[in-house]
Amino acid sequence: SYVLTQPPSVSVAPGQTARITCGGHNIGSKGVHWYHQRPGQAPVLVVYDDEDRPSGIPDRFSGSNSGDTATLTLSRVEAGDEADYYCQVWDSSSDQWVFGGGTKLTVL
Amino acid sequence: EEQLVETGGGLIHPGGSLRLSCAVSGFSVRRNFLTWVRQAPGKGLEWVSLIFAGGDTHYTDSVKGRFTVSRDISKNTVFLQMNSLRAEDSAVYFCAKGIVGATSEPTYYFDQWGQGTLVTVSP
Repeated sequence: SYVLTQPPSVSVAPGQTARITCGGHNIGSKGVHWYHQRPGQAPVLVVYDDEDRPSGIPDRFSGSNSGDTATLTLSRVEAGDEADYYCQVWDSSSDQWVFGGGTKLTVL
Repeated sequence: EEQLVETGGGLIHPGGSLRLSCAVSGFSVRRNFLTWVRQAPGKGLEWVSLIFAGGDTHYTDSVKGRFTVSRDISKNTVFLQMNSLRAEDSAVYFCAKGIVGATSEPTYYFDQWGQGTLVTVSP
């Protein structure tokens, strides 16, 4: 089955840039989607189709995807960005939807 | 406004059965596909099951043969029937609305989520 690998944690100071990676074999050939989740709340879509943002998501959130790594970039990080972040793909070979293990973003 | 509300969770003994419901408003389950995603306490998201608008269903390997996803179009509700429950099925179960992506390769993602319902499987 297809596996997505994320770092367990990323820390960043307010105002700086955070990059959260999502590794998978030839992930660049797949559409990657990102969600954030605050404690006790439902996930929220923040980036879809590698790099697009839903309405209401600030342009501080951006995504990229190439080779074996997809990246979610948060610019000008704010305290309110603290959350768990998950990447997700659809694996056509197994007809399964796959989530990464999640990355806890800490704003120092 | 699109909303999803999950109900039906609770405490159940191993081997027991439970049926979760996901009542939808603001869109039709007839024309959209919905998924179930679970999250064990302190753990990450795990995809469980999905039902397409045409009725096709998909399951993660660990629940195949035990869980069944279905829908009632007249009630605009999706269900997850869970049988032969195990301790490792304990989790918050979310339902979410699916969207077909627009990348060069086929892809799907989930743009609206419910708040979840807690299932605890314990003796």
